[in-house]
Amino acid sequence: IVMTQSPATLSVSPGERATLSCRASQSVSSNLAWYQQKPGQAPRLLIYGASTRATGIPARFSGSGSGTEFTLTISSLQSEDFAVYYCQQYTNWPPLTFGGGTKVEIK
Amino acid sequence: QVQLVESGGGVVQPGGSLRLSCAASRFTFSSFGMHWVRQAPGKGLEWVSFIRSDGSDKYYADSVKGRFTISRDNSKNALYLQMNSLRAEDTAVYYCAKDPPTVTTRYFDSWGQGTLVTVSS
Repeated sequence: IVMTQSPATLSVSPGERATLSCRASQSVSSNLAWYQQKPGQAPRLLIYGASTRATGIPARFSGSGSGTEFTLTISSLQSEDFAVYYCQQYTNWPPLTFGGGTKVEIK
Repeated sequence: QVQLVESGGGVVQPGGSLRLSCAASRFTFSSFGMHWVRQAPGKGLEWVSFIRSDGSDKYYADSVKGRFTISRDNSKNALYLQMNSLRAEDTAVYYCAKDPPTVTTRYFDSWGQGTLVTVSS
């Protein structure tokens, strides 16, 4: 299953809303996770099951969608949220597949 | 707090071999499936391999099948990746990552800090 993320780069001002998209080449039901990766760090799980926040993840992060279209929304960007975000499907594997990532940068 | 610490990375010539290790602590290692995920410099994430909690099932990405072998030692809380016939395109940071508590789901709820493998002559 091919995962496609858009846009590749998103320029947002602090305090604004960010909307990231992830599309699957075939249905993955709700078997989708989102990760955040900051430079020089390992990825961190944000969302699983398309919409369930992982432990300790702030409520400003929310996930939605099912089937082939998914969205990660950051309601009010904080300075620590500028990073690269990846989606990953786990419905049909191997292989487990990631999207190419969306970089959220400061506008 | 789950802890995963990778080691064993380094510089190796094309065609060479390397064995990565991942030391796990602060959770019941023998109860969870484990993965290796890699990231080439400046690139995205690529799943490499998975091993079930008891070692009974193993899966690989096509790009490494026949060259890499995943294994684990539950008595030592350790995960391994034996990498043979290494190629330049295997150059990446290799992360070990843990399965979630739900047995049938395969995402990564904890990650190590990664170890860099460079394949170069």
